[in-house]
Amino acid sequence: ELKVEQNPLFLSMQEGKNYTIYCNYSTTSDRLYWYRQDPGKSLESLFVLLSNGAVKQEGRLMASLDTKARLSTLHITAAVHDLSATYFCALGGGSQGNLIFGKGTKLSVKP
Amino acid sequence: ETGVTQTPRHLVMGMTNKKSLKCEQHLGHNAMYWYKQSAKKPLELMFVYNFKEQTENNSVPSRFSPECPNSSHLFLHLHTLQPEDSALYLCASSLRDLRGTEAFFGQGTRLTVV
Repeated sequence: ELKVEQNPLFLSMQEGKNYTIYCNYSTTSDRLYWYRQDPGKSLESLFVLLSNGAVKQEGRLMASLDTKARLSTLHITAAVHDLSATYFCALGGGSQGNLIFGKGTKLSVKP
Repeated sequence: ETGVTQTPRHLVMGMTNKKSLKCEQHLGHNAMYWYKQSAKKPLELMFVYNFKEQTENNSVPSRFSPECPNSSHLFLHLHTLQPEDSALYLCASSLRDLRGTEAFFGQGTRLTVV
């Protein structure tokens, strides 16, 4: 069974600090997605990682993929309040060509 | 805006009611999906349509009935729901099924069953 596990599920951090969210998955895949969801809003696509060693950066967020370790990370640099949201990783490769989601990491950035 | 529009945004219905959720995209995508997002649970895939054909039901109760009349529109017909069906229902679309392409999500319909 394809499983996606994120940790931590809740993260409270101060502005200016760095932190990493981890996403482990159970079977081989080379398609890993990161989404952001603000309260009451839709899921916004952040990154699509398609190959081993892929690294993508956008502003204060950087995502990487290690397919051998079955691990993706989302690194937050010098957090700001605007980054407060829930972040989901999702794996492509469901039996219907769909995404399998982790439970999400609720990030709260405090002044 | 992702280009995927869902209506209504909020819906309250009784257990004996019949209602429908609507999803629309004009992105030229050929695959559309219904996901259910409940509190403290991962997003759960409900239905997948690829080129207007439903590829799998994914063990969803029959009180949920999808309809995909064309590649731009997707409906979820609801009848005799239960309180535990209260959740955020998200529609998504992708160029084709998700083998290397990303999905774009609508804003969701917040459903409350009373």
